[in-house]
Amino acid sequence: AQSVTQLDSHVSVSEGTPVLLRCNYSSSYSPSLFWYVQHPNKGLQLLLKYTSAATLVKGINGFEAEFKKSETSFHLTKPSAHMSDAAEYFCVVSDRSGSEKLVFGKGTKLTVNP
Amino acid sequence: GAGVSQSPSNKVTEKGKDVELRCDPISGHTALYWYRQSLGQGLEFLIYFQGNSAPDKSGLPSDRFSAERTGGSVSTLTIQRTQQEDSAVYLCASSLSGNQPQHFGDGTRLSIL
Repeated sequence: AQSVTQLDSHVSVSEGTPVLLRCNYSSSYSPSLFWYVQHPNKGLQLLLKYTSAATLVKGINGFEAEFKKSETSFHLTKPSAHMSDAAEYFCVVSDRSGSEKLVFGKGTKLTVNP
Repeated sequence: GAGVSQSPSNKVTEKGKDVELRCDPISGHTALYWYRQSLGQGLEFLIYFQGNSAPDKSGLPSDRFSAERTGGSVSTLTIQRTQQEDSAVYLCASSLSGNQPQHFGDGTRLSIL
């Protein structure tokens, strides 16, 4: 079965400094991996996806993630945090057993301090 | 264009009542998913519809939960004899097909008194 582990439940950064949100995955085959963001009282918005093409994936709002098979990691980064980045971020793996249902990590809450 | 639409946005009901939650997917999307987001359990898959195929109901937590998708478009999630542990945000997502990125609605926040 597929699973993801988000290593930090909370991350706090200052505006203008880099963001690193860590994620490790477990999958019995080549996975499809995603990062989603959720702002308060909103649904989930897709930031980026990895589907076995380039290992460095660029997403929206300046975010990117690198797939490292040797480390089973898919960490999310951004060079410079903005106040509007404050939200909860979910690392997600797709269960490709047929239904393509998503398996979510527990989430990382990002706080951006002025 | 229009995204995934869910209604109601909030629902408060008494324990033991039945509730219906509605999801209107993005036009043309053949795949539709329901998820539940609760404090203790995080985000959990409930059920998946793909075209005219039999739905994947493997995530439904009990037989009090059911869902249907009429005409391959709108879906209704029904919870019978609600319990307090059913309190959660219920999220609907749709995608062009089963292996495409999923687009989420804003959810229905369900509170059971």
